[in-house]
Amino acid sequence: DQQVKQNSPSLSVQEGRISILNCDYTNSMFDYFLWYKKYPAEGPTFLISISSIKDKNEDGRFTVFLNKSAKHLSLLIVRYQPGDSAVYFCAASGSGGSNYKLTFGKGTLLTVNP
Amino acid sequence: NAGVTQTPKFRILKIGQSMTLQCTQDMNHNYMYWYRQDPGMGLKLIYYSVGAGITDKGEVPNGYNVSRSTTEDFPLRLELAAPSQTSVYFCASSPIVAQPQHFGDGTRLSIL
Repeated sequence: DQQVKQNSPSLSVQEGRISILNCDYTNSMFDYFLWYKKYPAEGPTFLISISSIKDKNEDGRFTVFLNKSAKHLSLLIVRYQPGDSAVYFCAASGSGGSNYKLTFGKGTLLTVNP
Repeated sequence: NAGVTQTPKFRILKIGQSMTLQCTQDMNHNYMYWYRQDPGMGLKLIYYSVGAGITDKGEVPNGYNVSRSTTEDFPLRLELAAPSQTSVYFCASSPIVAQPQHFGDGTRLSIL
């Protein structure tokens, strides 16, 4: 029962281009969403987040979009750089009560080609 | 600026052995978490703690125990290691609810 799904295990993009990573969720109690980036042999590093009261959040080259009716989250990365090659995880949680635990997707391996 | 520190980085155990994975954070965060990541999978929550003296089970707690005697430390104990516990273990912390969690670099554990 996967509550957070990343249907693309891998994605390849050219340096300098843009691309979108997608994530779907099933639990309607989720109201806080995050993207993490992970390099091999390191822990996940927080990238950007969005709460359910917003539909867009932008931070530098990264923009996260939230479509609550479709239960869909996406991450837009512009001007790809070689250092962007990593596994990107989508995660979700509720707030309040005991719903502050993160539920992760399986990740998308992003490869940036020169 | 250490953040979340996990030790050891690697360990090989024999079936039935026990060990403790250490996790400490220097950010004075109340919330701490243990996750495991199996190959090709997302992270799954094992245990979490909302403050010293308070712990609770996550999604996959069987075979593990935790304690939280101080704000800084949140060790994870494996009592009788089984091959199914071969995984990469990540510890994380956050200041409050609905704030990003900060992760350590993980402990890669193999049980043979």
